Amino acid sequence: DTGVSQDPRHKITKRGQNVTFRCDPISEHNRLYWYRQTLGQGPEFLTYFQNEAQLEKSRLLSDRFSAERPKGSFSTLEIQRTEQGDSAMYLCASSFVRGTNEKLFFGSGTQLSVL
Amino acid sequence: AQSVAQPEDQVNVAEGNPLTVKCTYSVSGNPYLFWYVQYPNRGLQFLLKYITGDNLVKGSYGFEAEFNKSQTSFHLKKPSALVSDSALYFCAVRGHGSGNTGKLIFGQGTTLQVKP
Repeated sequence: DTGVSQDPRHKITKRGQNVTFRCDPISEHNRLYWYRQTLGQGPEFLTYFQNEAQLEKSRLLSDRFSAERPKGSFSTLEIQRTEQGDSAMYLCASSFVRGTNEKLFFGSGTQLSVL
Repeated sequence: AQSVAQPEDQVNVAEGNPLTVKCTYSVSGNPYLFWYVQYPNRGLQFLLKYITGDNLVKGSYGFEAEFNKSQTSFHLKKPSALVSDSALYFCAVRGHGSGNTGKLIFGQGTTLQVKP
């Protein structure tokens, strides 16, 4: 396993369509994070999972967004009724927590363009 | 609220010269600070972190960062820059109330350009 994998790398969709992204974390990593990054900005936290439990959601995550991690392994992020403002890079990261020592490993991201 | 600021959009330095990428922070309580690097078409990579202890933190690829509590700064440094260091650098702080999690608040990033 070489790292966090995200699919697709790029997604172009029309406004109003639904999209789903997948993230495969590093195996045995128990935490998985979703971040969003727009051009010229740093990543913004969206949500995270500890195993299969979604423990925190940002206020940025409107009710059009839903994330799952059904078996504590891969995760999906779905955006319903996409809007142009959803255009961004969606980043996934995973980690294995040991005490206070946590290091995030990021995937290359999914670039979403909403036309 | 927790925040970090990177006052420079871009830093230019000649290869072989020392480099500094600036970061200031605002936190309540003890800061947990991080530096990440992002190369084109690649994910963010962890460089180093400060949690407690020595104010000078050593990280990957020869980078180090100096924690300065009185100036609320956490500048990234390298004694001798390489062309391959050219990338986008992010400073980050652990979010308030996030406990022991990787919920990070990132700065807006600084582009480092190292010229031969």
